[in-house]
Amino acid sequence: GAVVSQHPSWVICKSGTSVKIECRSLDFQATTMFWYRQFPKQSLMLMATSNEGSKATYEQGVEKDKFLINHASLTLSTLTVTSAHPEDSSFYICSVATDTQYFGPGTRLTVL
Amino acid sequence: TQLLEQSPQFLSIQEGENLTVYCNSSSVFSSLQWYRQEPGEGPVLLVTVVTGGEVKKLKRLTFQFGDARKDSSLHITAAQPGDTGLYLCAGAGDSWGKLQFGAGTQVVVTP
Repeated sequence: GAVVSQHPSWVICKSGTSVKIECRSLDFQATTMFWYRQFPKQSLMLMATSNEGSKATYEQGVEKDKFLINHASLTLSTLTVTSAHPEDSSFYICSVATDTQYFGPGTRLTVL
Repeated sequence: TQLLEQSPQFLSIQEGENLTVYCNSSSVFSSLQWYRQEPGEGPVLLVTVVTGGEVKKLKRLTFQFGDARKDSSLHITAAQPGDTGLYLCAGAGDSWGKLQFGAGTQVVVTP
């Protein structure tokens, strides 16, 4: 499998500010990573596919200008939530695609 | 979109009992994954099944992939409190690497 880390593990921010979440693949060169969002007591919802060296592919209904994804290297993808609002509060999880998907530990975002 | 239906949504049992979680679809998947997720953590891969009719065992957990590769089940024998968690099935279809997740089954095992 792949070992995946996320930073920070939790973050609290004020409404209107931007927050960056990092996803690192520690032992695998990942050309593809995925970003998910999970609300309490619900399953994972795919937000976007992050491709190294190219633009991310967003799922229907996910605003690409609000959720900026950068995959500049084979070990790092970042998700920036711009102008965050309370409704963006959620658990954000990334995964690395190898033979299947291996997930990071998640980042809890709370927007006040 | 390939829809994966997972049942039941919630399962509460006592230690030592058995349980089965089902994952069904009308679509064919090239592979199906089972994950377990604990609160505040990311999902952890339990198993991947690829071949129709395949059965895999992981200690007290038995996973089965349907002959037509449209459904799967997870059976836990003699459940323990450490088995408590959200169980998610996820199918891989036509888009490389993308997974379609079921809604999840929350399992609670009480001592």
